[in-house]
Order: sequence, then structure tokens, then C-alpha cells
Amino acid sequence: AQTVTQSQPEMSVQEAETVTLSCTYDTSESDYYLFWYKQPPSRQMILVIRQEAYKQQNATENRFSVNFQKAAKSFSLKISDSQLGDAAMYFCASQGGSEKLVFGKGTKLTVNP
Amino acid sequence: DTGVSQNPRHKITKRGQNVTFRCDPISEHNRLYWYRQTLGQGPEFLTYFQNEAQLEKSRLLSDRFSAERPKGSFSTLEIQRTEQGDSAMYLCASSLGGTDEQFFGPGTRLTVL
Repeated sequence: AQTVTQSQPEMSVQEAETVTLSCTYDTSESDYYLFWYKQPPSRQMILVIRQEAYKQQNATENRFSVNFQKAAKSFSLKISDSQLGDAAMYFCASQGGSEKLVFGKGTKLTVNP
Repeated sequence: DTGVSQNPRHKITKRGQNVTFRCDPISEHNRLYWYRQTLGQGPEFLTYFQNEAQLEKSRLLSDRFSAERPKGSFSTLEIQRTEQGDSAMYLCASSLGGTDEQFFGPGTRLTVL
């Protein structure tokens, strides 16, 4: 079974600064994928970034990057130059052995102007 | 294409009633997924289809729940004899398959009184 743990229920950041959201996971699969999804208030969930476990290089998408530590089973998300529009719930998720996504409980990110 | 759509967006029902939700995936996507999200939690997988075939069901999908995708296009999720514990956001997602990105709809919020 896969599990995903997000230990930070809430985080806040000043506009233009950098914030890191934490995620740890557990899986018995050798081939798996990790994701960060963003869910803005009353809006649908969108994919922020994904990481294939077999790739050692950390994924990057514009201001969003991950720190993937495979041995530690850690997958944190770094948001640089935070913007007001980044305020949302952020969910870490894993996928392996099945097409289903397994989500953590989420981290609510507040961006202060 | 406008993305994944779900109807209704909100449903209020009395305990014991049956409800049915509809999901229209992105047109070329052959995979369709259902998740349930309760307050303060991440989405939990319910079931998924490849075309019209239902390939995986979660233990969460009790006998009162049934999902169909009769022609491999839209899908319906029916809950019979609703209970207060069924109150949640029901999310639908679709993808081209396998480990491709899952695109989420806006969800149907169910309230059981």
C-alpha cells in the first residue's frame, strides 16, 4: 500500500519570497511517480509538477521545483517568487502499481501581500 | 475542449434518497477516475474506467455505490440510500491513460441532511 504524508497543515509566505512544502511517502513499488497538485478555493485541482522516481534530476516548472530524495522518501515543493495567485491547497500524491493517485491531506498556503 | 465537466455542481438530499452524478471527460481521454474528498482531507480514489471497462474499485466503494461508463464517454456515479457520511466532494478526472496527467473536474458537492 502507498501512503503520503504532509506534515504541514498550513503555511504562509510573503509575496515574492520562497516557501517549501514538505511531503514524505511510502511505497513498495520500484517504479512510481510523484505529483504536486494545486487546488485553489472553489476551483478545480490542477497539476503543478510531476517527478518520475527513476529520474535523479529534480523536476522544475518555472517558479516551481521539487527536491526529490528517493532514499529518504521525501518529495518537497519549492515555490520561488511567491505570487498572490499561488494561494491554494497543495496536495502531494503518488502513483505506482496502479493508475490511482494516493493523496496526502494537503497544505494550505497563504500568500501575504 | 473545455476540460472535464461535472453535473450537478451541488446536490442537497435527504438521508435515504438516491443521487446520481455525471462526469464528462475530455473527449479523447479513455481513462476516467472518480475520487471522493471530505473536508480537511485529500481526495481518495473510488474507481476508474478504461473506456467502458471498470478496472479497479476501492474498498470505499460500498454496495450502495455504483459507477458506469456505458459507451466509454461520460460516466455516472450513483449512491443509493444516502447516509450523512456520504457528504463530500465527488471529483472526476480523466487522462489519456497509464501515468499520463489526470485532469480534474470542478467536482460535485453532496450534502446529505
